[in-house]
Amino acid sequence: ILNVEQSPQSLHVQEGDSTNFTCSFPSSNFYALHWYRWETAKSPEALFVMTLNGDEKKKGRISATLNTKEGYSYLYIKGSQPEDSATYLCAFLAWAAGNKLTFGGGTRVLVKP
Amino acid sequence: DGGITQSPKYLFRKEGQNVTLSCEQNLNHDAMYWYRQDPGQGLRLIYYSQIVNDFQKGDIAEGYSVSREKKESFPLTVTSAQKNPTAFYLCASSSPVADNQPQHFGDGTRLSIL
Repeated sequence: ILNVEQSPQSLHVQEGDSTNFTCSFPSSNFYALHWYRWETAKSPEALFVMTLNGDEKKKGRISATLNTKEGYSYLYIKGSQPEDSATYLCAFLAWAAGNKLTFGGGTRVLVKP
Repeated sequence: DGGITQSPKYLFRKEGQNVTLSCEQNLNHDAMYWYRQDPGQGLRLIYYSQIVNDFQKGDIAEGYSVSREKKESFPLTVTSAQKNPTAFYLCASSSPVADNQPQHFGDGTRLSIL
């Protein structure tokens, strides 16, 4: 079983502040790294699929970077808003794994007004 | 609207009983998946299917069974052999991995023991 770790497990952010958190994954056999946002009472929705070392993706106030050589990805939220409160999941896809993603435990973000 | 439908939303199982969770998709995806989430943990893969009439065990397949007779449907049976079935179950689907597309998820089924 592959080891995909997310830290911290949870964090509280004041509205308007920026924050970031980490996803660590195996640095070998990398194929892709997915990020999902999971709001309470909703289904997880995809944020990014990242495939290239050094890749940086952005969606509104949320962005992500990828370092496949050292096995980590950062997700950044700029100017956090209450609607950013959610659990953020990363998922690692290895070469020759077919469609089988390995998920991290998630980072639960609570943005306080 | 294209999407994934899971039913029921809540399910209760008696001891020794098999129960089946439904998952239907109209996204024309070849691949479908079943995940389990326990409190404080991430998603763990139970079974997945990359094509009709074929499926593979995930990391925690013991006590579960699936079938994939139609492209749109991937039901999960929680058998009496699964000793700790209380959890939240998510179904997902995706196009081929080579397309670098994300997985799409249903709203989940919460299973509890009576």
